[in-house]
Amino acid sequence: EAGVAQSPRYKIIEKRQSVAFWCNPISGHATLYWYQQILGQGPKLLIQFQNNGVVDDSQLPKDRFSAERLKGVDSTLKIQPAKLEDSAVYLCASSSETGSYEQYFGPGTRLTVT
Amino acid sequence: GDSVTQMEGPVTLSEEAFLTINCTYTATGYPSLFWYVQYPGEGLQLLLKATKADDKGSNKGFEATYRKETTSFHLEKGSVQVSDSAVYFCALRGGYNKLIFGAGTRLAVHP
Repeated sequence: EAGVAQSPRYKIIEKRQSVAFWCNPISGHATLYWYQQILGQGPKLLIQFQNNGVVDDSQLPKDRFSAERLKGVDSTLKIQPAKLEDSAVYLCASSSETGSYEQYFGPGTRLTVT
Repeated sequence: GDSVTQMEGPVTLSEEAFLTINCTYTATGYPSLFWYVQYPGEGLQLLLKATKADDKGSNKGFEATYRKETTSFHLEKGSVQVSDSAVYFCALRGGYNKLIFGAGTRLAVHP
């Protein structure tokens, strides 16, 4: 079974530029999560989708971050404009609506804002 | 709100030493608790979990017991190997199945 796919793996941009990250969850998983992991900290949930609806986006800085999950499968997270403090690893995870609800994580995208 | 506190690292041990990484939590009710591991250059992987008080999760020689009296979920291993070098995260399951993580503890095991 293929895992959670993310791209790109690394991205370097200048502040005030825009950037987008892509995530493809495990096939059949209805719930998709985006986490931000700043160096030296644990991951923090930014947004959670169930199918193509938003369940929780309370920690998403909506003035600069946006996310969508069209068709309830893959998802895109965008930052516009980026700030220095957005440098982090962005993790995507997915889980099934049945069974253990275990979250499976992708390899992450490491963003550096200069 | 819900939160997780874990011991700061790095923890440096010799091979075959005993490992303990402390984790305590604050939450309403009795959430499921997890330990995740992040090996260098890899994504987060679930190491073990416990879903109710007094449950013991175990995997790959690691163990953790859900203690509601002390709101703790300490990770232990009797004999660490160099291959256990990684960052370990304690987490709890909050509302809507979201995970709330501690800051992580880096473990370095040397021969």
